[in-house]
Amino acid sequence: DIVMTQSPDSLAVSLGERATINCKSSQSILNSSNNKKYLAWYQQKPGQPPKVLIFWAASRASGVPDRFSGSGSGTDFTLTISSLQAEDVAIYYCQQFYSLPYTFGQGTKLEIK
Amino acid sequence: EVQLVESGGGLVQPGGSLRLSCAASGFTFSVYWMLWVRQVPGKGLVWVSRINGDGSSISYADSVKGRLTISRDNAKNTLYLQMNSLRAEDTAVYYCVRSGDGAFDMWGQGTMVTVSS
Repeated sequence: DIVMTQSPDSLAVSLGERATINCKSSQSILNSSNNKKYLAWYQQKPGQPPKVLIFWAASRASGVPDRFSGSGSGTDFTLTISSLQAEDVAIYYCQQFYSLPYTFGQGTKLEIK
Repeated sequence: EVQLVESGGGLVQPGGSLRLSCAASGFTFSVYWMLWVRQVPGKGLVWVSRINGDGSSISYADSVKGRLTISRDNAKNTLYLQMNSLRAEDTAVYYCVRSGDGAFDMWGQGTMVTVSS
């Protein structure tokens, strides 16, 4: 199984400041045949289902503010929130869909400092 | 409206059975892979099972293989999860999820399954 490890487990950032969440996969999730990275990022607020933020590691989902961005290589990925807003308080998960079983990171809890 | 609505959760005794349903609307259900993902309250997300558009390709997490069965009825735009031989560790919120281009792009609100005597 591919293990997804996020860091940090929790993060407190001031409003308007940058928040960075890291995600490392135990093996490459880059498909060299199509040059796509099989990684997505989700945001989950209390009492709600997860919502996709980023697909194919770096593409922003429809309706997601442009302060959210994704980047990364074959095994190391980053979700960046360029200017934290109050509504961004949530738990963030990375997820690989390169191979079964699909696996998620343990989650990063983002709070306001 | 594009949505997924789960139903069928509840309290069941260990060893019991339950069938979850997920009604899809607002999109062409039959062309999408669909999945079940579960989450113990306060914990992380765990993939359970997936099924392709015509139901000919199915996969399960090892922890549920042989006990949970995914299926779909494209005429009714409905996804199912038959849950047998339930254990305490199956207690979780079960989400019905659509697999889109590059991510799981649509999630239902979830249905709670509690396995307890």
